[in-house]
Amino acid sequence: KNQVEQSPQSLIILEGKNCTLQCNYTVSPFSNLRWYKQDTGRGPVSLTIMTFSENTKSNGRYTATLDADTKQSSLHITASQLSDSASYICVVSDRGSTLGRLYFGRGTQLTVWP
Amino acid sequence: EADIYQTPRYLVIGTGKKITLECSQTMGHDKMYWYQQDPGMELHLIHYSYGVNSTEKGDLSSESTVSRIRTEHFPLTLESARPSHTSQYLCASSAGQGAKSVGTYEQYFGPGTRLTVT
Repeated sequence: KNQVEQSPQSLIILEGKNCTLQCNYTVSPFSNLRWYKQDTGRGPVSLTIMTFSENTKSNGRYTATLDADTKQSSLHITASQLSDSASYICVVSDRGSTLGRLYFGRGTQLTVWP
Repeated sequence: EADIYQTPRYLVIGTGKKITLECSQTMGHDKMYWYQQDPGMELHLIHYSYGVNSTEKGDLSSESTVSRIRTEHFPLTLESARPSHTSQYLCASSAGQGAKSVGTYEQYFGPGTRLTVT
C-alpha cells in the first residue's frame, strides 16, 4: 500500500534554532517528492521538489534531502523564524498510473516560540 | 504567489442547503483539482479535471459534483449540505495537457474554503 508517514506529528522550537522534519514513504514506482508549507487556514505552498536523481535541494533556509534507496526524506530548517510556524507536508508522486497521483502525509505541525 | 482564488473563504450554512464553492485560476492551467482536508489529516482528492468538459471523481468518495465549462473556472456544488460535509475544501491547478501524469507538474493551491454545516 502506498503511504507517506511523517514525524514528528508536532514540534515546538525556539526562534533561531534549527530543526529537521522526517518523511518516510512506500510509494512505488517513485516519481518525485515535494515538501509543502501550509499556514493555518491557507492552502499549501511548495518549498522543494526532488526527483529520483536528486538527493538535496535548498530553498533559502529550507534544505530537503532524499534517499531513494531507503525511501526517506528530511526537511531541515535553519535559523527558524516565527513565520516558520506552519504545517509541513511531504507529498510523493508515483508514475505507475495515467493520473500519476499524489500521496500526502499528514504533516508536521511546527511552532516557533520567541 | 499563485493566481488561484477561492470564494467564499468561510461559510456557515444550515443542513439541507445547496452550496457552490467557487474556484478560479488565471494561469491558463488545463488541470484542476478539489481536495478535502480535515484538521490534522492528509489532503484527499475528491474531484479533478483534465480540461474543459472533463471531470473525474477522485480517491475519496464525495457527494459533491463539479463542472468545467471554462478553463479558468472549476466550481464544486453540494446539492444538500449535511454536518458530515464540514471540512476545508482546497482547489488546485497544474500545467500539462491531456490525461498525462499529474505528478510531473507543480500544483498550485488556492487559500481554501472552510465549510461548516450546522
